[in-house]
Amino acid sequence: GAVVSQHPSWVICKSGTSVKIECRSLDFQATTMFWYRQFPKQSLMLMATSNEGSKATYEQGVEKDKFLINHASLTLSTLTVTSAHPEDSSFYICSARDPSGLAGAWETQYFGPGTRLLVL
Amino acid sequence: GESVGLHLPTLSVQEGDNSIINCAYSNSASDYFIWYKQESGKGPQFIIDIRSNMDKRQGQRVTVLLNKTVKHLSLQIAATQPGDSAVYFCAENRSGNQFYFGTGTSLTVIP
Repeated sequence: GAVVSQHPSWVICKSGTSVKIECRSLDFQATTMFWYRQFPKQSLMLMATSNEGSKATYEQGVEKDKFLINHASLTLSTLTVTSAHPEDSSFYICSARDPSGLAGAWETQYFGPGTRLLVL
Repeated sequence: GESVGLHLPTLSVQEGDNSIINCAYSNSASDYFIWYKQESGKGPQFIIDIRSNMDKRQGQRVTVLLNKTVKHLSLQIAATQPGDSAVYFCAENRSGNQFYFGTGTSLTVIP
């Protein structure tokens, strides 16, 4: 099946610093990736859709200048949390579609293992 | 002190029993649905999917039922095992590529 990786898996940073999280599709090319955020004991909330070679599409209420997304290649999307604050502490999860459908149903999204961010 | 915020619904079942997890979705135009399993500290794992032109789909030990009239999905797990303990989410594909997740249900299997 399709594999999506994230790096780092854990990050602890001081308030005011910026943190970059990488999402990679390892065995397929993903023209579209998605970023989610999950607080403890809550559901996943879609933050933005990352499109290769074009600007990301953000969900309502998500600050595009706060959460910078870059999808420079067919296998890599990055999420940068700029000037992170304690309220940004969360579990960030990316997912990717396999448009070829070779790994399974073409609509299915494959999720990364998540990145836990703690801002002190 | 008092905790504030959302809490996941919980379901406890005996090992070997069948489990039924329910999900209500919001958009009648949603045409594709997926059930995911999420273990603590990990990303969601695909379990089974169903398109809106179907009302039932079976996998290994799992069955998904779709009732479009009342916008309801259910996941049935047969002969539940301790390894099935996790949080289960349904996700709906409303348009294009975006998926939106339901509240989730925490399943605990009692040995």
